Amino acid sequence: QSALTQPASVSGSPGQSITISCTGTSSDVGGYNYVSWYQQHPGKAPKLVIYEVSNRPSGVSNRFSGSKSGNTASLTISGLKAEDEADYYCSSYTSSSTLVVFGGGTKLTVL
Amino acid sequence: QVQLVESGGGVVQPGRSLRLSCGASGFTFSSYGMHWVRQAPGKGLEWVADISYDERDKYYADSVKGRFTISRDNSKNTLYLQMNSLRAEDTALYYCAKGTQYADYWYFDLWGRGTLVTVSS
Repeated sequence: QSALTQPASVSGSPGQSITISCTGTSSDVGGYNYVSWYQQHPGKAPKLVIYEVSNRPSGVSNRFSGSKSGNTASLTISGLKAEDEADYYCSSYTSSSTLVVFGGGTKLTVL
Repeated sequence: QVQLVESGGGVVQPGRSLRLSCGASGFTFSSYGMHWVRQAPGKGLEWVADISYDERDKYYADSVKGRFTISRDNSKNTLYLQMNSLRAEDTALYYCAKGTQYADYWYFDLWGRGTLVTVSS
């Protein structure tokens, strides 16, 4: 069982918006602004799409945005495209002895 | 070209050891913290270990503490992971990942393609 909880799957049609949630505790997501999100296409390495809750790395589309409320972080993808179909993982720093925890991943299907 | 290239994976028996390497290029390796992250077949990501840019600080996941050792050679732009007392549950694709400059902000903005470690008798 992963330390952070994500929905197993979400889906949306091209052009729509979707949101993926990532729920932790006050020891991780709720306690620090060190939440990041990664996109992973099948057979590929993960790619950073959001860091420090809501910052976008250079080169990442502005269709990707991040936010946090309490112990839950969210990744929103607007204007869905077929190329967005992938697995998405959230991550957070944690005050536990294992310093970084990931969510179990969410499979995004673009219908 | 900014990239990370892992090597050293393979099939190993339970209880044996293996050392992974990760060669870095295209950025000032000696200024960045580095991490190992693994992914068991068909499973999610699991953070394994972290080393500061100057090798002063090292951190490990509870699942590998006491068995794995992270190190780096800044003169060779190379990161290492020494894995001892390997178990079947260590079977995974091991990724090398670039952290942040000097201080740790706990995100990884560059990943290698990974090297596969299979622990089996």
